[in-house]
Formats: sequence, structure tokens, C-alpha cells
Amino acid sequence: DTGVSQNPRHKITKRGQNVTFRCDPISEHNRLYWYRQTLGQGPEFLTYFQNEAQLEKSRLLSDRFSAERPKGSFSTLEIQRTEQGDSAMYLCASSFGSGKNTEAFFGQGTRLTVV
Amino acid sequence: GQQLNQSPQSMFIQEGEDVSMNCTSSSIFNTWLWYKQDPGEGPVLLIALYKAGELTSNGRLTAQFGITRKDSFLNISASIPSDVGIYFCAGRRNYQLIWGAGTKLIIKP
Repeated sequence: DTGVSQNPRHKITKRGQNVTFRCDPISEHNRLYWYRQTLGQGPEFLTYFQNEAQLEKSRLLSDRFSAERPKGSFSTLEIQRTEQGDSAMYLCASSFGSGKNTEAFFGQGTRLTVV
Repeated sequence: GQQLNQSPQSMFIQEGEDVSMNCTSSSIFNTWLWYKQDPGEGPVLLIALYKAGELTSNGRLTAQFGITRKDSFLNISASIPSDVGIYFCAGRRNYQLIWGAGTKLIIKP
């Protein structure tokens, strides 16, 4: 499978615990994005990497959230001290370059439930 | 966060019917995209529009980029059962996508 891969697909955690999600983009895609999607809504932008550099972070990304892309390949998104409001689908996408015909491909997402 | 205005919120249709949905924004976008999302899956790109007035087809799907650059519509002709799902519009601003809340397509039994 050469698409964007996200792990785990589902995560149930207790409030206050830390969780980490992984995203493996399409190989050779230099751009990687994280989005969050709550039920009944479209995705909301969280952060963007070009290679290993994190170039933009949304105000939605509180201090409890951190994302890394250490070698410009896979990325991790960590949420510390999870809250019930963090329950959502976390989507990763990747693309190569920008402009026409370089749109992002999305992974299947990680569904987080905080109990 | 900012979202586009997408309508209708949901549609009940008979198999074989044509479907139309649209998306509007208070601000201009230079790229409009239409995605479909099945339950428990990530969005899949259907059509990308890059030029005001552009009309693009992908099989039974046709989408148009509004001339004002503030709106777009998606038409599905002769709907089939596998068309069920949630359709999202998105406007691209630099590297960030701004999304509508989706149109849920349901086929009447």
C-alpha cells in the first residue's frame, strides 16, 4: 500500500493520559499536514511541515499538542494530559510541492476517544 | 475555526436521480476542491478546480469554480448506491484547506 498510513486507527484513553499518533506519508512527499475532525464537521487545520520544518501551527494546537517530523519522513502527533474535548478523528495528509495537480492525499485517520 | 457554508446539510435521493450541492465563502479562494468521505475513512479527492469559471468533470461528477471565486457547486448525475457518503468542499489558502461542514448523501430504500 503506497498511500498515507496512520497508526493506530483507533485509540481509547483515559482523561489525563498522554497519547501519540504516527503518520507515514507517501514516499517522496515533502509536505505533511495534520487536521482534526469532530463529528458532523469538516476537518480543521492543525499544523504543516515542509520536510522536517514545522512551518505553521493553528491556534487550535494548544500547548498540550506537539508534532514532529524528525527526518522529514514520518510524523508524530502527541497530546499530553488528554481532555474529553480532544476526542476526534485526527487526519494526516501529504503532498509534493504546491499548486496545480499537487493536492494532498489523506490517510484513514486515527479516531481518539477520551473517557 | 473558519468554515465554508455548504448546503444542503443532507439529501435523501432515489437511485438514478441527479444531485446538486454547493459551497459559498465570504472570501476568495484560488483553488476549490471537492472530497468524499466514507464512514471511518479519510477524505478522498474527487475534483480540483483552479480557475474562476472552470467546469470540470470526473465521470458522473461535474464541478464548477464560481466566477466570483467565492463559490463552487458539485453535481452528481444518475446517482448509484455507492455514491452515499459525505461530500465536502474545501478552499485552499496557501498550504491550508478551509472546509465546509459536508453534505450527507443518503439513498432512499
